[in-house]
Amino acid sequence: GAVVSQHPSWVICKSGTSVKIECRSLDFQATTMFWYRQFPKQSLMLMATSNEGSKATYEQGVEKDKFLINHASLTLSTLTVTSAHPEDSSFYICSAFRTSGGDEQFFGPGTRLTVL
Amino acid sequence: GENVEQHPSTLSVQEGDSAVIKCTYSDSASNYFPWYKQELGKGPQLIIDIRSNVGEKKDQRIAVTLNKTAKHFSLHITETQPEDSAVYFCAASRSGGQNFVFGPGTRLSVLP
Repeated sequence: GAVVSQHPSWVICKSGTSVKIECRSLDFQATTMFWYRQFPKQSLMLMATSNEGSKATYEQGVEKDKFLINHASLTLSTLTVTSAHPEDSSFYICSAFRTSGGDEQFFGPGTRLTVL
Repeated sequence: GENVEQHPSTLSVQEGDSAVIKCTYSDSASNYFPWYKQELGKGPQLIIDIRSNVGEKKDQRIAVTLNKTAKHFSLHITETQPEDSAVYFCAASRSGGQNFVFGPGTRLSVLP
């Protein structure tokens, strides 16, 4: 199956700093990638849709200036959490949408962000 | 918008027994319904999916059924094994494999 990686797998940062998370599709090209946030014992909530070469589409209630998304190539999307605060601590998961061989989303392993 | 409900929230079964998880959705335009398995600290893994033009799909011990009229779909796992223990999420999408709305999840425990 298709492989999606995320880096880092976990990160701890101080309040007020910015953190960048990378999402890569390793063996296929993805025009569209998605970013989700998952709080402990809760479901995945879609934050934004990342489109290669264009601006991301954010879900209602997600601050676009706080969660910066860049999808500069067909295999890489990045999520930058700016001026992170403890309430931003969460499990961030990306997925990449593959259209060849059937439409399907492949999820990354997630990034655990802890803001002190 | 779409709303997906999932029941039960927790499920414990004896090894070898069957497990059934049910989801309902609200948007009649939804046409793609995947099921994901998520182990602790990991990303979700697709285990089976079904599209709206099909009523049932089976893959070894796992099957999914879809009732479009009632707007619900179910995951069936037979001959459960301890390694089936995980959190299972259903999802619905009106745009094929994109723009998922996830259910709240079911924590399945298979007791040896």
